[in-house]
Amino acid sequence: QSVLTQPPSVSAAPGQKVSISCSGSTSNIGNNYVSWYQQLPGTAPKLLIYENNKRPSGIPDRFSGSKSGTSATLGITGLQTGDEADYYCGTWDSSLSAGRVFGGGTKLTVL
Amino acid sequence: QVQLQESGPGLVKPSETLSLTCTVSNYSITSGYYWGWIRQPPGKGLEWIGNIYHSGSTYYNPSLKSRVTISVDTSKNKFSLRLSSVTAADTAVYYCARDTGGDFFDYWGQGTLVTVSS
Repeated sequence: QSVLTQPPSVSAAPGQKVSISCSGSTSNIGNNYVSWYQQLPGTAPKLLIYENNKRPSGIPDRFSGSKSGTSATLGITGLQTGDEADYYCGTWDSSLSAGRVFGGGTKLTVL
Repeated sequence: QVQLQESGPGLVKPSETLSLTCTVSNYSITSGYYWGWIRQPPGKGLEWIGNIYHSGSTYYNPSLKSRVTISVDTSKNKFSLRLSSVTAADTAVYYCARDTGGDFFDYWGQGTLVTVSS
């Protein structure tokens, strides 16, 4: 059971837009930055979004992040078949189980 | 471009200790940042194991703390993971990564699969 809750899967057609949610609490998302990672099949996770809505160099602006209260959202526009991957949110949790925490991951299927 | 590479045995027997090393290239560990280990059981999500700062300060996942030791060798620009008393539940791909201290990991190794089996 992950501390952060993500939908197991989402799907959309090429060219469309999709949103992936990440729900937490005041001990994690509510008081800390959120990051997002893309994991293509058989590869290591790759940083997509950091500090809620910032993109590292080389990440296209089709990817965006937002945060409101104890939830965060990853948005992807202009979907491409190459976007098919698992997406994870992450943050710090300051509860008794303090440490880095991740969501359970969301499998994106581009139909 | 910062590069990280995990190395170590791919097979460990139950009850024994898993040992992995992460070699960092194109960046000196002593320049700053935290250095961490994350694992991913087959078909499952990511689990943070722990971090170490170049000074040696460590932060561990409370659920693994009793079995985990992370150390750093600044002279070789490497850091290491030891996980004791392993069981089949510790079978996973183990990743090392750079933790910026700002709630995200910006560089990751390619990962190494460790199987716990007799």
